[in-house]
Amino acid sequence: DVKVTQSSRYLVKRTGEKVFLECVQDMDHENMFWYRQDPGLGLRLIYFSYDVKMKEKGDIPEGYSVSREKKERFSLILESASTNQTSMYLCASSPGEQGYQPQHFGDGTRLSIL
Amino acid sequence: QKEVEQDPGPLSVPEGAIVSLNCTYSNSAFQYFMWYRQYSRKGPELLMYTYSSGNKEDGRFTAQVDKSSKYISLFIRDSQPSDSATYLCAMRTYSSASKIIFGSGTRLSIRP
Repeated sequence: DVKVTQSSRYLVKRTGEKVFLECVQDMDHENMFWYRQDPGLGLRLIYFSYDVKMKEKGDIPEGYSVSREKKERFSLILESASTNQTSMYLCASSPGEQGYQPQHFGDGTRLSIL
Repeated sequence: QKEVEQDPGPLSVPEGAIVSLNCTYSNSAFQYFMWYRQYSRKGPELLMYTYSSGNKEDGRFTAQVDKSSKYISLFIRDSQPSDSATYLCAMRTYSSASKIIFGSGTRLSIRP
C-alpha cells in the first residue's frame, strides 16, 4: 500500500511566522502535490512537483513556496503566515507514467494561524 | 461558475437505503472521473474512477458518467453506517495528469 505521511496532524502558529509542512511518500512516485481544503471550496491545488527540484504553481500559489530536494519528500513553506492560511493541508503523490494514475493522499495537517 | 458543482448536503439516510450522490461539470474536455471518500480527520481515498462515459460497478458501489449531460453519479446499495463520510467527485482532462478538479464534497450520514 502507498503510504503518504504528513509530519504533523495539528499545528498552531502565529501571524508572520515561517511555517514548514513536510510530506514523505514511500512508493518512489514522481509526482507530488500540495492542496488546501476549505469548507465549501473543495480541494485547491497550491503547488505540484513532477521531479526532484522541479515545481509548478497550482491554482493558489500566493503566499506559499515548496521544496523538493529528494524524490520522497515534498515540503510546503508559508513564508509569512497569515490568518487566511488557516486550513487543512493535504499532500498527495502519484506515479509519473502516462494514462490514469490515481493520487494517494496523506491524512492532512490542520493548521491554525493565530 | 465553478467547473465542478456538488451539493454539500448533509444527506442522511437509513441503513440499507440506496444512496445517490451527484456532480455536474462545465468542461466538456474532462475524460477521467473519480470518486473519493473522506472519513473525518483522514485524507481522501480513491473509491472508483471511470474513463469517458458509461457505468462501472465495484461491489455495492456504481459510478455513472453521462457526458452528454455533463453529469456523474455514485450509487451506494445496501448502505451501511460505515459508509458515513464525505464523498468528493473529481475529474480531469486526458492530458493534464496534475490538474484534477475536485467538487466540494457531499457529507453523507447513514442512520443505523
